[in-house]
Amino acid sequence: LAKTTQPISMDSYEGQEVNITCSHNNIATNDYITWYQQFPSQGPRFIIQGYKTKVTNEVASLFIPADRKSSTLSLPRVSLSDTAVYYCLVGDGGYGGSQGNLIFGKGTKLSVKP
Amino acid sequence: GAVVSQHPSRVICKSGTSVKIECRSLDFQATTMFWYRQFPKQSLMLMATSNEGSKATYEQGVEKDKFLINHASLTLSTLTVTSAHPEDSSFYICSADKTDYQETQYFGPGTRLLVL
Repeated sequence: LAKTTQPISMDSYEGQEVNITCSHNNIATNDYITWYQQFPSQGPRFIIQGYKTKVTNEVASLFIPADRKSSTLSLPRVSLSDTAVYYCLVGDGGYGGSQGNLIFGKGTKLSVKP
Repeated sequence: GAVVSQHPSRVICKSGTSVKIECRSLDFQATTMFWYRQFPKQSLMLMATSNEGSKATYEQGVEKDKFLINHASLTLSTLTVTSAHPEDSSFYICSADKTDYQETQYFGPGTRLLVL
């Protein structure tokens, strides 16, 4: 299972774009990259998942370079309610395979200020 | 959608008693469910993998006789903390593997256990 490295914390202000980068140097060929958001005393919430290049949904974008050794979660125009811990995870995925055991790192604690 | 529920959301029990926590996938079937534990201000730690119709697979250091897992159907997995002690007090979270084309795990809201 690929290990991930993220900044421990980040500060931002409302309305700004926030980019959180995650390193996963030993990502395997069949690994997908998934980001979760967790508020205190709640289960993690799926944000976005990708394999390569760029993925965008209604809440975020995920940028993955060609070597896939890192990925960047981009949150456009954050608000106070985006204050949470964000986890980057790498695991098996794709057709017919389970994402398997997810190893959570420490995550990035994002604090959005007014 | 992909909704996972847990029950109860919060439980307080006396030391020595057993507590059962249910994890249900409400709108999809999950052959595999996972149980995590999270202590205050720490990350989630995987405890065990629950497979429908077979025995659970426990992570190193997790006592299988203390944390009993039963995955009776494709939508229900239960975690029973037997003979609970104060050090078992924690936030327990389950996740279910939605076996669609992206193989994404969806998490329950968690259960806070306090053992007195």
